[in-house]
Amino acid sequence: QKEVEQNSGPLSVPEGAIASLNCTYSDRGSQSFFWYRQYSGKSPELIMFIYSNGDKEDGRFTAQLNKASQYVSLLIRDSQPSDSATYLCGMNNQGGKLIFGQGTELSVKP
Amino acid sequence: SAVISQKPSRDICQRGTSLTIQCQVDSQVTMMFWYRQQPGQSLTLIATANQGSEATYESGFVIDKFPISRPNLTFSTLTVSNMSPEDSSIYLCSVESTSGIISDTQYFGPGTRLTVL
Repeated sequence: QKEVEQNSGPLSVPEGAIASLNCTYSDRGSQSFFWYRQYSGKSPELIMFIYSNGDKEDGRFTAQLNKASQYVSLLIRDSQPSDSATYLCGMNNQGGKLIFGQGTELSVKP
Repeated sequence: SAVISQKPSRDICQRGTSLTIQCQVDSQVTMMFWYRQQPGQSLTLIATANQGSEATYESGFVIDKFPISRPNLTFSTLTVSNMSPEDSSIYLCSVESTSGIISDTQYFGPGTRLTVL
């Protein structure tokens, strides 16, 4: 089982809709979870981090963490074409290493 | 967050040669990392660059192939040695934030796009 799993997509949503990106992980000891956005040809850019169970909101982005079920998600409200990118879920494992999922490609259609 | 630069931004190299990639940070950082991102793939950690000691390599990566230097707290290099077309990837350095409670957050440099012919 991979340490971090994401659906590779592509996930296509219409402009203005909510995009929901999901990630599951295997290491129950993981404490820190991150969402990075990567535009084509660019390096990953941190958009959210979450440590505690529940929701964390930042503008149009909401990260959700459920440690009992071992999943973390990212909701993007009022999706815009500029949100079209690959979203990488990452977590710090018990060895202190940042492990990434394979990324979900999001396409927001005007 | 720290400002990170990498040189070169891209290169095309012949097989059998070596390329050294530089990573410069505008502030002192304890932890620096080197990742590889193969075409269409996610990020894979190559090694952690430690200042004053040898780098710590991940499974599948060895020092002879990817020697790393970390002479101070703002600079590191990664060399890709004896290159083959399979080494064609984007190579990224990252640094760990030292800001308070988000001390384990990593920020990435712009990357080096390497093509090996």
